[in-house]
This record gives sequence, structure tokens and C-alpha cells, in this order.
Amino acid sequence: GENVEQHPSTLSVQEGDSAVIKCTYSDSASNYFPWYKQELGKRPQLIIDIRSNVGEKKDQRIAVTLNKTAKHFSLHITETQPEDSAVYFCAASMAGSYIPTFGRGTSLIVHP
Amino acid sequence: NAGVTQTPKFRVLKTGQSMTLLCAQDMNHEYMYWYRQDPGMGLRLIHYSVGEGTTAKGEVPDGYNVSRLKKQNFLLGLESAAPSQTSVYFCASSGLDSNQPQHFGDGTRLSIL
Repeated sequence: GENVEQHPSTLSVQEGDSAVIKCTYSDSASNYFPWYKQELGKRPQLIIDIRSNVGEKKDQRIAVTLNKTAKHFSLHITETQPEDSAVYFCAASMAGSYIPTFGRGTSLIVHP
Repeated sequence: NAGVTQTPKFRVLKTGQSMTLLCAQDMNHEYMYWYRQDPGMGLRLIHYSVGEGTTAKGEVPDGYNVSRLKKQNFLLGLESAAPSQTSVYFCASSGLDSNQPQHFGDGTRLSIL
């Protein structure tokens, strides 16, 4: 089955810095890669996703890049703000499968 | 449009007691899931359903049962609660297209004493 590794487990940055979280996956058949943000005590919520026919996708201060050859995808947050502090989860799923495989999460702390 | 609604939000049980967690979605989604979230362990899939009347085991199904009698509802049961089942439980749903994100409920915080 699919295996998703997520790094780092904790990331501490100063407000205004950039943050990068990386995930690697094992199954080359995976073709959908969502990222979820979970604030303390809240539900995970989708912030951005990418499909395997696209190499990069941006939405204001966040972007996701996908390298299918190396089987890794990354979340980039620019100009971080304290409200970006949360746990971020990556996931991967294959065409025809409705069971995503999640990474273990990255706790992002943005210091004012 | 409430999305995914979980009840209760909090519950404390004694070892050996039983209870049912309720999940309801109003998005007409085919797929529904139950996860548990423990510190450092991410989201682990307990059971899932691909449609009304169907259920299947996930990664950590032992000690739990589920039912999907109606498309909009997915119930998670603990027949004899154990302290190891202390966790935060999330229900999620998704639509027919496999390249669609999951929509999560607010979670149920369950403590087993």
C-alpha cells in the first residue's frame, strides 16, 4: 500500500519568514495530493491540493509543488503570520481509491 | 449547509461501557470515514463506507463497529470501551470523484477512565 512520509514534524519560524513542509510517497500510481490545516482544537480543513498533471499550484501566500519523478510534494508558505500556526497534514491517494494516506503532520509555530 | 456534524462533542466513559458516536453529512456524499487522532500519530482510519449499507475496515478497526443505514449517517460504536480508546474521533465525507478532498466534522473528544 501507499506510504507517506512527512518532514519535519515540528517547524518553528519567525513571522515573515517562509516555511516549507515536504512529503514523500511510495506509490507512483498516486495522483491526488491535498494539504490540510488543523488549528488547535479544530477540524482539519483543506487549504490547497494538486493533481498529478500539474507541477505547481499557488493560492496567495501558499503554494504546493509536485515532483512525480522523485515522488515528493511540498507545501510552501510565504510571509508567515501567527495565524498560520497549526498542524499541517499532507495526503496522497490513487485514482479509483477513496482512501487517502496521510502523513503524520507538521506542527508549524510562527513566532511574532 | 452544515457540512459534517458529529455528536457528542465530548464524552467521558468508564471502562467496559458502550456508546455510539453519530456523524451526519448534508452534502450527499457517497463516502464516509471514521478516524482517530492521537498525539504524534496523525489521522488513523478506523472504518469507512463507500455507500449506504456498506462498511469496510480501515487501519485500526479492532474494538469498533460501524453502520451506514442511511446515506447521510455513519455511526461508530464502542461495545466495551477501553482506556486505549481515549482519543479524538473525526468523521469525514467525500464525493464520488476520487480526486476530491475530505470534509471533516468538528471531532468528538472521548475519554475512557
